[in-house]
Amino acid sequence: AQSVAQPEDQVNVAEGNPLTVKCTYSVSGNPYLFWYVQYPNRGLQFLLKYITGDNLVKGSYGFEAEFNKSQTSFHLKKPSALVSDSALYFCAVRAGTGGFKTIFGAGTRLFVKA
Amino acid sequence: DTEVTQTPKHLVMGMTNKKSLKCEQHMGHRAMYWYKQKAKKPPELMFVYSYEKLSINESVPSRFSPECPNSSLLNLHLHALQPEDSALYLCASSQGVFGGMGAGTEAFFGQGTRLTVV
Repeated sequence: AQSVAQPEDQVNVAEGNPLTVKCTYSVSGNPYLFWYVQYPNRGLQFLLKYITGDNLVKGSYGFEAEFNKSQTSFHLKKPSALVSDSALYFCAVRAGTGGFKTIFGAGTRLFVKA
Repeated sequence: DTEVTQTPKHLVMGMTNKKSLKCEQHMGHRAMYWYKQKAKKPPELMFVYSYEKLSINESVPSRFSPECPNSSLLNLHLHALQPEDSALYLCASSQGVFGGMGAGTEAFFGQGTRLTVV
């Protein structure tokens, strides 16, 4: 069975500081990993994904994530946070053999303070 | 056009009403989805359509009835809902086909319909 864990309900960071939002996963076979962001009363926006290849994935708005197979993690990072990055972030995993069933983590609220 | 458009944005309905949610995409995506999202919770998959055929039904109650009239449109028909069905209903689409490398394609989400059942 697939599962995704986002261990932090909320992450607080000062503007200009680096940010990390954590995600660990469990899946049979090769994972397809995704990060999405959600602003209030809006749908989810795709940020980045890991399918195969380079473990460091770069995405939209300066975000990047590092795939670590041994630690089954896919943490989202950004070198310098902006107040406008404040939102709800979801990690998601889809098994390579699982078709379209994507499992979302519980979400982490990022709060960037000016 | 990289948008998924959902209408209406807000809907209030009584428990005896019949209403429909609509979703449209013009990206040529062949997979379309309905998700339900409660406040401060992750989206929960309800239905998946692949090539206009229902591929996955996540044991959703029959008061929710999906329909895919063509490759660009997805509807969700609502009937005899309960107050606990109040939620944000999200439509999404993706390029990939069922299984294989298609599983690695990302989904594009609409902004959702905020449904309140009274």
